[in-house]
Amino acid sequence: QAQLRQSGPSLVKPSQTLSLACDISGESVSTMTGAWHWVRQSPSRGLEWLGRTFYRAKWYADYADSVRGRVIIKADTSKNEFSLHLNAVTPEDTAVYYCAKGGVYDAATKSFVGHAYDIWGQGTRVTVSS
Amino acid sequence: QSILTQPLSVSGTPGQRVTISCSGGSSNIGSFTVTWYQQFPGTAPKLLIFADDQRPAGVPDRFSGSRSGTSASLAISGLQSEDEADYFCATWEDAQNAHVLFGGGTKLTVL
Repeated sequence: QAQLRQSGPSLVKPSQTLSLACDISGESVSTMTGAWHWVRQSPSRGLEWLGRTFYRAKWYADYADSVRGRVIIKADTSKNEFSLHLNAVTPEDTAVYYCAKGGVYDAATKSFVGHAYDIWGQGTRVTVSS
Repeated sequence: QSILTQPLSVSGTPGQRVTISCSGGSSNIGSFTVTWYQQFPGTAPKLLIFADDQRPAGVPDRFSGSRSGTSASLAISGLQSEDEADYFCATWEDAQNAHVLFGGGTKLTVL
């Protein structure tokens, strides 16, 4: 089974860019049956979906309205990883950030459930502070 | 405030059956299947139920899910002390830009 390993800083200054990487082992980032998501969790906002990237003959990315315009999620096939880049951060972006793989196969419907995350990274606690 | 509404807390005694509700709308739960996650402090959420009522391998059959209309439920029977955790529902939201929605979470206390 695939595993996800996150890396990146735990402290980011306001107005700077938060960059996190999620290294994938046991599966290709270019899989045609899954997608790679970023989710964050904070006491004030709970669990919040940030976006995803996935490959279906070409690369796609979707983003949450709450971070659209500030966020880029992209894959690096040479490293078999995907990353999150959130710019112009404020203290409101302080949270635990998780990467996750979406796309669990439902045998009953012979389809993949995109919002079912069966594999998660270990989480990165990021504080935005000067 | 989450669009998917869950009770803040539920409790039960060992052996009891408890249910956790997740209420949404026509553009989310009313249109898409529901996923449930279990989370212990300091750890990532764990997939508990997907496609409304399917359990991944390794999840005990004490955990079951259902969906009707714009609401979903997670039931835990034969409650055990190790079930004490936070539980979250999730689904797609199709209004405007499609995205994943999470419920606010429910803290389960085993008395």
